[in-house]
Formats: sequence, C-alpha cells, structure tokens
Amino acid sequence: DAMVIQNPRYQVTQFGKPVTLSCSQTLNHNVMYWYQQKSSQAPKLLFHYYDKDFNNEADTPDNFQSRRPNTSFCFLDIRSPGLGDAAMYLCATSRGGTDTQYFGPGTRLTVL
Amino acid sequence: SQQGEEDPQALSIQEGENATMNCSYKTSINNLQWYRQNSGRGLVHLILIRSNEREKHSGRLRVTLDTSKKSSSLLITASRAADTASYFCATENNAGNNRKLIWGLGTSLAVNP
Repeated sequence: DAMVIQNPRYQVTQFGKPVTLSCSQTLNHNVMYWYQQKSSQAPKLLFHYYDKDFNNEADTPDNFQSRRPNTSFCFLDIRSPGLGDAAMYLCATSRGGTDTQYFGPGTRLTVL
Repeated sequence: SQQGEEDPQALSIQEGENATMNCSYKTSINNLQWYRQNSGRGLVHLILIRSNEREKHSGRLRVTLDTSKKSSSLLITASRAADTASYFCATENNAGNNRKLIWGLGTSLAVNP
C-alpha cells in the first residue's frame, strides 16, 4: 500500500545531542512537509519541499534543518535539541497545489 | 501561522448522538479540509470542500461551507466511541503559489459509550 513512513516512531535524545528523523513515501508526491506538534496543539509547519525547492517558515529556528536527497526521502535534523523541542514530529506529502496532505504516524521526540 | 479557529475546543457526547464542530477562518480560500487525529497518531484526511461548494457528505460526515461568513462546520451523525479523536480544519489559501495549509486549533471530541 502506498504510504508515508516515519522512523523511528519514538526517539530519545539528550540535551544538545544532534538527532535525525526520517520520512519516506511511496506516493511519488512532489511536496513533502515537516510539522512540529506539541500536546493539545495544532500542527506547526516547520518547512516544506516542492520537489527540490526548499521553503522555510519564517519562525522555524535555525536549529532545525532538512534534507531531501530524492523524491522518496526527507530528513529532519535537529542540531542541538533543547527541552522545548520535545514534541511529535509529523511528515506529510501532497501532490501540491490545493491537494490533500497524507501524514505519516509521527515520531515522538523526547529530550532528556 | 494559524488562522483557523474552531469551536468548541472540547466536546463530550454520548454514543449515538450527533457531534457538530465549527471552524472559522480569516482570508479567502481555495478549499477547506477536515482532518482527524487519534491520540498520539498522525492526521488522517476526512473531507475536502472547495470554495465553490456549499455542502459535502462522506458516510456519516457532513461538511458545510459558508464563504460569506468564512466558516465551516463538520457534523458527525450517530457518533461511535471510535470517533473519539481531535478534529482539525485546515485551509489552503489562494495567495499566489502558496502550497501550505493553515491549521485550526482543533476540537477534541470524546464519545462516551
């Protein structure tokens, strides 16, 4: 089945220790998104790729970076995680334009 | 950035009752989408209504859109305990080549058996 896969589902890291979250898709969608979601809040868009075109949200901290080496994969790098970065990180894809977004199951990040 | 506001923030009903959630937005839109999120999981797309549509149905879901009032409602009929989840509205604004969704704050629905 075509889908959006996120690994790992749960990630524990230490304060300041770099961490990478991964997302892959079998939908062959042009657009991939990374969201941060904290408890009982709406998803907050960090950035998105339209093909190789990277679009950063103005309020996304420099601590967050992303890579999209090919259509199928996208990575979220957190260079120096702080306690405030503990959250659910959601990857989503879409064909673009006004289309539906398809979400992965998320990665729950804990920062000790 | 968030432009959608949803009410109520939380809703608790008995199984079999209908649940209505409302969403308001601020700018003109191409479409409005509703998503569902079970606790600790990703979001699942429920229904998309375009700006030139007024009502749409999908199974037990009914969505209305009033562009003059910049509001939408999601009705779940004959609710089940499995409908317990958070529900988010999201709008795709039509500002240029924007591919982002603007998310509402969500309604937490609890359906009691």
